[in-house]
Amino acid sequence: EVQLVESGGGLVQPGRSLRLSCAASGFTFDDYAMHWVRQVPGKGLEWVSGISWNSGSIAYADSVKGRFTISRDNAKNSLYLQMNSLRAEDTALYYCAKDIQYDSSGKLDFWGQGSLVTVSS
Amino acid sequence: EIVLTQSPVTLSLSPGERATLSCGASQSVAGSYLAWYQQKPGLAPRLLIYDASNRATGIPDRFSGSGSGTDFTLTISRLEPEDFAVYYCQQYGSSPWYTFGQGTKLEIK
Repeated sequence: EVQLVESGGGLVQPGRSLRLSCAASGFTFDDYAMHWVRQVPGKGLEWVSGISWNSGSIAYADSVKGRFTISRDNAKNSLYLQMNSLRAEDTALYYCAKDIQYDSSGKLDFWGQGSLVTVSS
Repeated sequence: EIVLTQSPVTLSLSPGERATLSCGASQSVAGSYLAWYQQKPGLAPRLLIYDASNRATGIPDRFSGSGSGTDFTLTISRLEPEDFAVYYCQQYGSSPWYTFGQGTKLEIK
């Protein structure tokens, strides 16, 4: 059974940093691209970032480019999102999601339950 | 950036009825690279349809997708009680920037 478990969320002040982690199990992690998608509670979905199976291809939404860094450790079956210079508008539930193929296609067939990030003073 | 607009915002129907949800794109979606997701309260989204018309693994055949270019449709042939949820379309044709529609809430009438 595919499982994606996010962690690392919490309350953080504007301008500070936070690192999210996603632990994957139930599939061959290094065979698939991975993504982060966020959702303001009660609102819609926003794709944040994606990374190919071997980290050779990485992309970011314009709203986070230059502030967020996605990475993965295939030996640990883990995905990460380093978030710097956080803003109030980054407040959201952050989902880790699995792509259906090794290179980023954008088709997301499994999602974690999310990690809540709240940016507030 | 391709903007996706879903309509209606809210759709009120009864179990057993047919649901038709629309997703319009601000420009043509390359390759009909469009997906539909279902999200229930407190849960993560679930992939229903990809490449406009292909059902994801385990998705009942009452769900179907169609369309190309700028106009796409998700149809649920006969609504079951568990189908009432929020539905999002997503385009992945302008890789690597993937955008979602604002969602359609399908509620029980």
